[in-house]
Amino acid sequence: KQEVTQIPAALSVPEGENLVLNCSFTDSAIYNLQWFRQDPGKGLTSLLLIQSSQREQTSGRLNASLDKSSGRSTLYIAASQPGDSATYLCAVRASGSRLTFGEGTQLTVNP
Amino acid sequence: DVKVTQSSRYLVKRTGEKVFLECVQDMDHENMFWYRQDPGLGLRLIYFSYDVKMKEKGDIPEGYSVSREKKERFSLILESASTNQTSMYLCATVGWGNAGQGVLKLYTEAFFGQGTRLTVV
Repeated sequence: KQEVTQIPAALSVPEGENLVLNCSFTDSAIYNLQWFRQDPGKGLTSLLLIQSSQREQTSGRLNASLDKSSGRSTLYIAASQPGDSATYLCAVRASGSRLTFGEGTQLTVNP
Repeated sequence: DVKVTQSSRYLVKRTGEKVFLECVQDMDHENMFWYRQDPGLGLRLIYFSYDVKMKEKGDIPEGYSVSREKKERFSLILESASTNQTSMYLCATVGWGNAGQGVLKLYTEAFFGQGTRLTVV
């Protein structure tokens, strides 16, 4: 059974800092991996999708990498801003269309 | 702009009521999902559907049923609401994409609705 772990569970940084969020998964036979952002009481917003054949994806200040063989992904946020404060979730699609989620990293960026 | 719309943001229902949560998508996606999200337990898959009138149980289907009569609409039904079904409910959709380079199909991004906060009293 696929398991997804995110470390750390919570992170607090000063504004402007570059930071890395980690995601690991137990079954490397995945179709793709997706990073989401969730604001309190809201739904999930898609940030980046990495297909299994890809190594990384970039969108603005965000860069996500994927190392399938080691079962790891990282989300790099450059020059963090208070508006980046949210919970970040990673999810893998390993069989069929269903996603398996990690529990998330709660990020706080302090002004 | 991509849209997944859940019928209600907030709902309060009484124990024993039959509750319907509706989700509508405008992306022509084949696959639709219902999750619930609880503190400390993360997102858990209740049911999903990969085509009209097709459905499969997720990890926690007990106490729930679903209906997919049209491609764009996926309904979650709480047959007899109980207090342990108080939760945030999230609908999601995923489609198929053409990746080219000899790869016929790839799952596209998953898109989520805004969530329904259900309280059962």
